[in-house]
Amino acid sequence: ETGVTQTPRHLVMGMTNKKSLKCEQHLGHNAMYWYKQSAKKPLELMFVYSLEERVENNSVPSRFSPECPNSSHLFLHLHTLQPEDSALYLCASSQAWQYGYTFGSGTRLTVV
Amino acid sequence: DAKTTQPTSMDCAEGRAANLPCNHSTISGNEYVYWYRQIHSQGPQYIIHGLKNNETNEMASLIITEDRKSSTLILPHATLRDTAVYYCIASMTGNQFYFGTGTSLTVIP
Repeated sequence: ETGVTQTPRHLVMGMTNKKSLKCEQHLGHNAMYWYKQSAKKPLELMFVYSLEERVENNSVPSRFSPECPNSSHLFLHLHTLQPEDSALYLCASSQAWQYGYTFGSGTRLTVV
Repeated sequence: DAKTTQPTSMDCAEGRAANLPCNHSTISGNEYVYWYRQIHSQGPQYIIHGLKNNETNEMASLIITEDRKSSTLILPHATLRDTAVYYCIASMTGNQFYFGTGTSLTVIP
């Protein structure tokens, strides 16, 4: 347990479904992030929230919609996904600017 | 963030020291060097970071050259559980990391 909890661990969804990924951190951090990791590819930064404000949206398609209701919770709402969106979705949090991230274990998403 | 260059893969015998190099020749004076590792299908795990002095913690040691253009992560006694992809990142802010492809370390029994 790293202090960053992601649910569900695995998710299979159809292209017409709507689902949400949840991330919760118990570390008192003030920034949270979504990353995507496709097979055999580097981690891709998707969204950054700092003090509950979105500070970066890294050219992510609108079928991915993040939400950060408070500093401890982060959601990624998914709708009308494509099979190429199948990947490991990782949440991370951080506090001080120089002290790096704590990652969750990820949600393995499969779009069928 | 400065660009970093790492070997694609390395092997290390179990019980021996694993020395993972990283080049960051364009690093600026206020950028830290961070190391993370990612064991298969898990989230990356923070290992260590430093600015210019060598650093050591319970997991590893970080040796940064005097000109700060390269660094080496040392796992003093590698175990099979250290098999992972190791990422070296140079960053000023400590967030908005952009991960490269890293070094895939295989510890061999």
